Amino acid sequence: DADVTQTPRNRITKTGKRIMLECSQTKGHDRMYWYRQDPGLGLRLIYYSFDVKDINKGEISDGYSVSRQAQAKFSLSLESAIPNQTALYFCATSSPSYNEQFFGPGTRLTVL
Amino acid sequence: LAKTTQPISMDSYEGQEVNITCSHNNIATNDYITWYQQFPSQGPRFIIQGYKTKVTNEVASLFIPADRKSSTLSLPRVSLSDTAVYYCLVGGSGTYKYIFGTGTRLKVLA
Repeated sequence: DADVTQTPRNRITKTGKRIMLECSQTKGHDRMYWYRQDPGLGLRLIYYSFDVKDINKGEISDGYSVSRQAQAKFSLSLESAIPNQTALYFCATSSPSYNEQFFGPGTRLTVL
Repeated sequence: LAKTTQPISMDSYEGQEVNITCSHNNIATNDYITWYQQFPSQGPRFIIQGYKTKVTNEVASLFIPADRKSSTLSLPRVSLSDTAVYYCLVGGSGTYKYIFGTGTRLKVLA
C-alpha cells in the first residue's frame, strides 16, 4: 500500500465551486505539505503543517485553505475555484530530522 | 533559501554516464544538497543527499567540491527509464521550504 495517498486522483470542476483535495499518510510523519505544479514548471509550496496545531502559508496560499484533521490527514480546499487553479497538486510528508520529503501520486485538477 | 541554477535540459544515450551540475553560490553553512527525480504525472522522488565531498548510493553519486558552491549528480549507465526531470534543492537540516525550480529535463535516447 502507498505511504502517501491522495483523493481524488482526477477532478474536473466549474468556476466558483468549492472543492477539497485530501491527503492521507501512513508514514507517521508530523510534517505535511501541499504543492502545486503547472505544466513545465517546478513545484510551488501552498501550505505546510508541522503538526495538528500548526498551519503555515507557503509561497502561493491565496485562494486556498487547509485543514489538518489528524496527524495522518491534511486536506486542501479551494473555496471558489477559478481556471488558473488548474494544475497538478501534490501532497508530501517528512520527518523533522531528515530532509527527504515523500510525495503522493498527485491530483490533477481542472477548473472550467 | 539558497537559489539553485541547473541546465534546462540534457540528452544522453543509453549506457552513458550522465552528469548534471547545479550551481548554488549562496549555500549556507548548514545547508544540505538534495536531488529529486520526477517522472511525468508523478510526485518527485528522493535520489540522494549530501553535505560535502562524495556520496554514493545504489542509483547515483553526488560530487560536492570543497567550496560547496556547486554539485554534480552522476547517473551511471543511464537507461530509457531514467528519462525524467531532476531537481537540485538546497536547504538546512530539517528544511521544510524547498524551492524546486524548473529542474533539468533529461532525455535518454536509444
